[in-house]
Amino acid sequence: GAVVSQHPSRVICKSGTSVKIECRSLDFQATTMFWYRQFPKQSLMLMATSNEGSKATYEQGVEKDKFLINHASLTLSTLTVTSAHPEDSSFYICSAPPRGGTWNTQYFGPGTRLTVL
Amino acid sequence: GQQVMQIPQYQHVQEGEDFTTYCNSSTTLSNIQWYKQRPGGHPVFLIQLVKSGEVKKQKRLTFQFGEAKKNSSLHITATQTTDVGTYFCVGSSNTGKLIFGQGTTLQVKP
Repeated sequence: GAVVSQHPSRVICKSGTSVKIECRSLDFQATTMFWYRQFPKQSLMLMATSNEGSKATYEQGVEKDKFLINHASLTLSTLTVTSAHPEDSSFYICSAPPRGGTWNTQYFGPGTRLTVL
Repeated sequence: GQQVMQIPQYQHVQEGEDFTTYCNSSTTLSNIQWYKQRPGGHPVFLIQLVKSGEVKKQKRLTFQFGEAKKNSSLHITATQTTDVGTYFCVGSSNTGKLIFGQGTTLQVKP
C-alpha cells in the first residue's frame, strides 16, 4: 500500500525554538495533506489542510502564525512549530489521500513526537 | 460543529470475550471508516462503510453502518491479545474532512 513518511520521528527542543516536521508521500503524489495532533489518550484533532501550491486551511482555534505549513511539492508538506512552548508537546501526524483519489482513502504517516522542555 | 461521539472510552476484556465499540454522529455522514492504532503507532485503516445499513466482516471483526448513516459499530468476536489497541471511528463529512471519534482503547487480558 501507499506509504507516508514523517521526519523526525522524535524531537526534543527548548522552549522558544522552532521545529520543522516533514511529511512525505513516498510512492504517490498528494495535492492535499492533513496535519493532526494527538494528545496522550485522546483522539486525533485536525489542525490544518495543506494544499500544494497554495495556502493551508486552518481549523478553528489553530494559530496559523504559530503552525506554519508549506506544501511545496506534490510529495512534501512541512509543519513548522514556531516559538515552541511546553504546551505544544504532542504527537503530530500527517495523512494524505492519493492524488486523484477521494479523501475517503487516506494514508497516515508514523507520527512525530514533539517534546518541548 | 460536526462531532462523532464514541463509547466506551476504555474496555478491558478477558481473552476470548467479545468486544463492541459504538459511534454516533451529530449529522448524517457520507461514509464512516474505522482505524486501529497500536500503542505508540499511527492509525491504520481497517474498513470503510458507505451504504445505509451496511454490514461488513473481516474475520472476527464485524462492522455496521446505521440505516440513518449517523451511527456505526465495531464488534470483535473472541478477542485475542493481538486485538489490543485503540479503535477509532472516523466520519467523512460532506466537505470531505475526516472527523475522528474519541477512540476506544481495548485491553485484553491473556
